[in-house]
Amino acid sequence: DSGVTQTPKHLITATGQRVTLRCSPRSGDLSVYWYQQSLDQGLQFLIQYYNGEERAKGNILERFSAQQFPDLHSELNLSSLELGDSALYFCASSPTSGNYNEQFFGPGTRLTVL
Amino acid sequence: AQTVTQSQPEMSVQEAETVTLSCTYDTSESNYYLFWYKQPPSRQMILVIRQEAYKQQNATENRFSVNFQKAAKSFSLKISDSQLGDTAMYFCAFMKGSSGDKLTFGTGTRLAVRP
Repeated sequence: DSGVTQTPKHLITATGQRVTLRCSPRSGDLSVYWYQQSLDQGLQFLIQYYNGEERAKGNILERFSAQQFPDLHSELNLSSLELGDSALYFCASSPTSGNYNEQFFGPGTRLTVL
Repeated sequence: AQTVTQSQPEMSVQEAETVTLSCTYDTSESNYYLFWYKQPPSRQMILVIRQEAYKQQNATENRFSVNFQKAAKSFSLKISDSQLGDTAMYFCAFMKGSSGDKLTFGTGTRLAVRP
């Protein structure tokens, strides 16, 4: 158990819908990262937040957005869903001292768009 | 931009034998970190081993060790005394900089350990 929690574990929805994925980082970790794992794109970085502020953006579609709240949990919002958005979405967190380069991954949310 | 290449999509090894997974990367950064992550059928991403680029000594973690060749930009993972529980996807990953940054992953190598 990495200490990072993600809900829900599985999500099945239809094209055109909107979903929200939730992540709680390890206690004390200020950085949260979102990654997408799909069959055709592999593991890709989407976005990073640090203490409530967006720090870096990767290959994140405009239909996707994220935020990090004062209690440090983060949400990834996916809208106007397409079949190609079906993937495993990971959240990871990293400490601010010590091994700050180490990222601890949550169990992921499996999104299926029908 | 950084790239990470894993040229072995699949590998197989007999239980108790040794196997080496290959990884090469391309970067112009001088300060970076390299990682191997394991993803078993449960899909959980588990950190196996980490290497700081400024350290010449190869990292080891129990049965797992790396061969880090900085000039060649090569970072291979050796698994000794392979166990059935080592069956998983293995991802090589790169992180630049001295502070928390994103991970850039390779495409992965699927390892099967045969009984």
